[in-house]
Amino acid sequence: AQTVTQSQPEMSVQEAETVTLSCTYDTSESNYYLFWYKQPPSRQMILVIRQEAYKQQNATENRFSVNFQKAAKSFSLKISDSQLGDTAMYFCAFMQETSGSRLTFGEGTQLTVNP
Amino acid sequence: DTEVTQTPKHLVMGMTNKKSLKCEQHMGHRAMYWYKQKAKKPPELMFVYSYEKLSINESVPSRFSPECPNSSLLNLHLHALQPEDSALYLCASSPSWSSYNEQFFGPGTRLTVL
Repeated sequence: AQTVTQSQPEMSVQEAETVTLSCTYDTSESNYYLFWYKQPPSRQMILVIRQEAYKQQNATENRFSVNFQKAAKSFSLKISDSQLGDTAMYFCAFMQETSGSRLTFGEGTQLTVNP
Repeated sequence: DTEVTQTPKHLVMGMTNKKSLKCEQHMGHRAMYWYKQKAKKPPELMFVYSYEKLSINESVPSRFSPECPNSSLLNLHLHALQPEDSALYLCASSPSWSSYNEQFFGPGTRLTVL
């Protein structure tokens, strides 16, 4: 079975600084997708960034970027220039080719951005 | 329209009540999902509908009854719930159930069972 591990239950960062959230996963598949979802206190789950396993280039979306290490099965999220609105629970999620659009979530990391 | 809407936002019900949660999307997506989420935990998949047919039931108790009347609408009928069923219920949709389709989530319904 696929598993996703987020080893940091809580993190905090000062506004304007950079923070990295870690995620590791376990799979025997070669084709899969990885996602970072953000869930602010308002509850709506929003996709932050996605990475296709077959792409070597790390995905970037504005202040959000990933460090995808396929051999190490690691998928960390870097948030640059942190803003108060980045305060949220962040879930790493995995989707494999043979399981349709089923998402396997990690336990989440609660990120707090302090002024 | 890239939105999944859910009603109501909050629901309080007794253990003998019957209520329904509603989810709607107008993105033309053909897969729709119900998740249950406890506080500070990830969402847990309950049901998946693909082309208005139930594709996955993750061994959910029969007091939860899903319904997909059309491709835009998903309901979750609730009956004889237990206090431990109190949670945030999230709906999501994706273009299809086939591989690699991003799921779009609604804001959820906060359910409290007394």
